Amino acid sequence: EAEVAQSPRYKITEKSQAVAFWCDPISGHATLYWYRQILGQGPELLVQFQDESVVDDSQLPKDRFSAERLKGVDSTLKIQPAELGDSAMYLCASSLGLRNEQFFGPGTRLTVL
Amino acid sequence: QQQVKQSPQSLIVQKGGISIINCAYENTAFDYFPWYQQFPGKGPALLIAIRPDVSEKKEGRFTISFNKSAKQFSLHIMDSQPGDSATYFCAAWNSGNTPLVFGKGTRLSVIA
Repeated sequence: EAEVAQSPRYKITEKSQAVAFWCDPISGHATLYWYRQILGQGPELLVQFQDESVVDDSQLPKDRFSAERLKGVDSTLKIQPAELGDSAMYLCASSLGLRNEQFFGPGTRLTVL
Repeated sequence: QQQVKQSPQSLIVQKGGISIINCAYENTAFDYFPWYQQFPGKGPALLIAIRPDVSEKKEGRFTISFNKSAKQFSLHIMDSQPGDSATYFCAAWNSGNTPLVFGKGTRLSVIA
């Protein structure tokens, strides 16, 4: 069964350092999402791609967060510099298109010390 | 502003009992209502979903009940099992136009 792959699964960093997360969506899925899930809360959308184009990044803190999907396949989410409040689970999801069901990866658990 | 309100925050049910989780929404443009199941350390997995043109959808032991006029929907887990212990999220979506909006989650514990 096809799955969304994410790496690393866990990341511990010190504040002010840079971190990067990688996501490989299900093959053929044109739409890719990055979510942030704070402990005890539901996921919140950070950025949404349709192929290589950003569809929605209204909730992405652009002063420190960046995301790219250069070839319209895999994607990278970067935080620079990391802050204590960035500690959370970062989830990637993909779907066939904008109107299709989303499938989530296992997430990257980020801890900022 | 929380667009989807979920309750209860946590729930303890005896094995074999019925687990009921409720959600309410405000945006009448929402037209797709999924429920996700999340185990610790894992991403959410789609469990069951409903569109507002039906009042109920059943898949195995899982049933969604939908009340369009009250803007409420609920998840019922029949014959709850210890393996159902997880966090459940309701969500809502205006297909293609708005991001998927999640409730805050319900932590279900099924005890033997």
